Amino acid sequence: DAGVTQSPTHLIKTRGQHVTLRCSPISGHKSVSWYQQVLGQGPQFIFQYYEKEERGRGNFPDRFSARQFPNYSSELNVNALLLGDSALYLCASSLSSGNYQETQYFGPGTRLLVL
Amino acid sequence: AQTVTQSQPEMSVQEAETVTLSCTYDTSESDYYLFWYKQPPSRQMILVIRQEAYKQQNATENRFSVNFQKAAKSFSLKISDSQLGDAAMYFCASSVFTASKLTFGTGTRLQVTL
Repeated sequence: DAGVTQSPTHLIKTRGQHVTLRCSPISGHKSVSWYQQVLGQGPQFIFQYYEKEERGRGNFPDRFSARQFPNYSSELNVNALLLGDSALYLCASSLSSGNYQETQYFGPGTRLLVL
Repeated sequence: AQTVTQSQPEMSVQEAETVTLSCTYDTSESDYYLFWYKQPPSRQMILVIRQEAYKQQNATENRFSVNFQKAAKSFSLKISDSQLGDAAMYFCASSVFTASKLTFGTGTRLQVTL
């Protein structure tokens, strides 16, 4: 079975632009979470979606938004890009959003560079 | 709120030796989960081991084991018989449920030398 996939793998944008990152969860997984990993730091939680509903939101500005589609894939949108948005964006999927004995599986990430 | 602290930015170990990575955490939850994730240069985060806070027995997965000290809020990872493939960033993380928001530490870069 395919793991979590993310596209694109790399992206270069300029300040003020908009970006959309995509994530496809493992088949059968209904929950998707997004994390931002700035160079040299641990990942920071941005959003979690389960069954197309937002289940959690981290401490990020409203420029960050996400949605989940009926096939459980997800998009992360970032508006008005800032230099500080340069990071590795990780997507993780799981069967549900809070059940016991589950594992979150991570994708390879999208590297975003804002110039 | 949960916080996770890793005080060792870098560690080095010789092949076949044992190394211990340190992690401390803070949480107001009575039930929670603790994890060690490995992130190799390929960037993909891989779960190494998981510990349920309500379990007193330390988790083990082959060459990987943890020392979970609940009262001290300490959660260290021991890697035995280190291999070159163990070289990576290691992140300690916590969550309220296994599949909910993860709170990560800043990571420890592990080098494995011949």
